[in-house]
Amino acid sequence: GEDVEQSLFLSVREGDSSVINCTYTDSSSTYLYWYKQEPGAGLQLLTYIFSNMDMKQDQRLTVLLNKKDKHLSLRIADTQTGDSAIYFCAESIRTDKLIFGTGTRLQVFP
Amino acid sequence: GAVVSQHPSWVICKSGTSVKIECRSLDFQATTMFWYRQFPKQSLMLMATSNEGSKATYEQGVEKDKFLINHASLTLSTLTVTSAHPEDSSFYICSAIASAYEQYFGPGTRLTVT
Repeated sequence: GEDVEQSLFLSVREGDSSVINCTYTDSSSTYLYWYKQEPGAGLQLLTYIFSNMDMKQDQRLTVLLNKKDKHLSLRIADTQTGDSAIYFCAESIRTDKLIFGTGTRLQVFP
Repeated sequence: GAVVSQHPSWVICKSGTSVKIECRSLDFQATTMFWYRQFPKQSLMLMATSNEGSKATYEQGVEKDKFLINHASLTLSTLTVTSAHPEDSSFYICSAIASAYEQYFGPGTRLTVT
C-alpha cells in the first residue's frame, strides 16, 4: 500500500542543521520529493531524488535516500528563520501521481 | 519558470451556490493538472487528475458531480464546487506537470462556505 510518514514537529536553533525524516512503504517509487509550504501558501518544490540515487546536494539542502529501509531525509544546513515552514515529502509511483507525507512543521528560533 | 497561478486566492460564498476556481500554468503547457484539498494542519489529499481534452479522473470517495473539473486548454484547468456546503470549506491547491519529474503547485484558494 501507499503510506508516507513524517514526524510532526522539529525545532532547531538558527544556524544549526535541521534533519527532517520520512519513511515510505511502496518500493516501486520512482521519484521522491521534498516540498516546502509556508502559512497560507501553496507548495514550493525544493528538490527531488531519483530512486536509484543515494544522495543529492543542492546548496544548503542534502537529500539522503536509503532505499533498503525506505527512508528519506532532508538536511538543511545553517538553518535560518526563513526556513520555518511545513515540509512535505512525497513519492511518485508513476511519473505523475504524488503521495504526500503528513508534513513536518519546522520551527527555527534565534 | 514553471509558475502556476490560481484564481481567486480566497472566496466566501453562501451555502447552495457554486464556486469556480481557476488554475493556470503561466510559462509552460500542462497536459496534466491535479486538484488537491488540504484541511487545516493536514496533508494534501488528491481529489482528481485533470487531463486536457478528456474527462478528469477522480480519486475514490470524491464526488465527480460535486467537484466539476474542466481542462479546456493546455494552460487552464477549472474546478467548480457545485451547491457548496460548509463542509466544503477548505484550501484547494492545484498543480501542473512541467516535465516528467517536476510537479509545480499553485498558491492555493481558500474557500469558505457560510
